[in-house]
Amino acid sequence: DTAVSQTPKYLVTQMGNDKSIKCEQNLGHDTMYWYKQDSKKFLKIMFSYNNKELIINETVPNRFSPKSPDKAHLNLHINSLELGDSAVYFCASSQDSLGGGLFETQYFGPGTRLLVL
Amino acid sequence: TQLLEQSPQFLSIQEGENLTVYCNSSSVFSSLQWYRQEPGEGPVLLVTVVTGGEVKKLKRLTFQFGDARKDSSLHITAAQPGDTGLYLCAGIGYSGYALNFGKGTSLLVTP
Repeated sequence: DTAVSQTPKYLVTQMGNDKSIKCEQNLGHDTMYWYKQDSKKFLKIMFSYNNKELIINETVPNRFSPKSPDKAHLNLHINSLELGDSAVYFCASSQDSLGGGLFETQYFGPGTRLLVL
Repeated sequence: TQLLEQSPQFLSIQEGENLTVYCNSSSVFSSLQWYRQEPGEGPVLLVTVVTGGEVKKLKRLTFQFGDARKDSSLHITAAQPGDTGLYLCAGIGYSGYALNFGKGTSLLVTP
C-alpha cells in the first residue's frame, strides 16, 4: 500500500493556466507538507498543515494556495502558472508537527513533475 | 532560515571505494537527518542524529553528528552501485518548525 500518494505524477501545461496537485496519506499522520525541488535538486518547504490547520507558510507567491479538506489530504492549487514554477513538487507527512527541537520522520510522496511551457 | 552546505556536490566513484559526504552549517541544530533520493522518487529517511558527537551505523553507512551540533558526515565503506542516488542532509533548529535541507550530494557508483 502506498503511504503517501500524489496525482498527477507528470503535469505539462501552458503559462497562465491554473492547475491542482493532490496528495493523500494513509498513515494516520497529523501533519502534511508541500516541498518544491528545483532543477538543482534543492528541496525547500512551502507549506505545512497540522490537523487541517496551516502552521508553516514560507515565502511563496500567493498564486499558490494549499487546501486540506481533512487531515489525510493536502492539495496544492496554483493560479496563473509561470515558467519559474516548473519543478518537482513533493508532498510529505509526519506523525506530528516539528517544533521545539523535536524531530519527526517525514514520509515523502513520489513527486509531481510540473513543466510550464 | 538555517543554511546547510553539503560537499561535494557531485561524486563519481568505482565500486569498492570509500567516500565521505559532509554537511556543514554555522547554526546549531537540535537534530539532523540524512535522506537518500533515487531518480524519480521522493527522499527516504536513512537516519536521525540527535546527540552531539553521536555516531550511528547502518550497514556500510556511518553517520556522525558534530560535537557542536553544527555539522554531520556520512561515510560509505565499499560503495556499491545500489548506493547511487542523491544524499540530502536536513536539520531542524530549536526554534524551528520546518526541516531545512542542504543542496544534496549526487553520488554515482559504477561497477
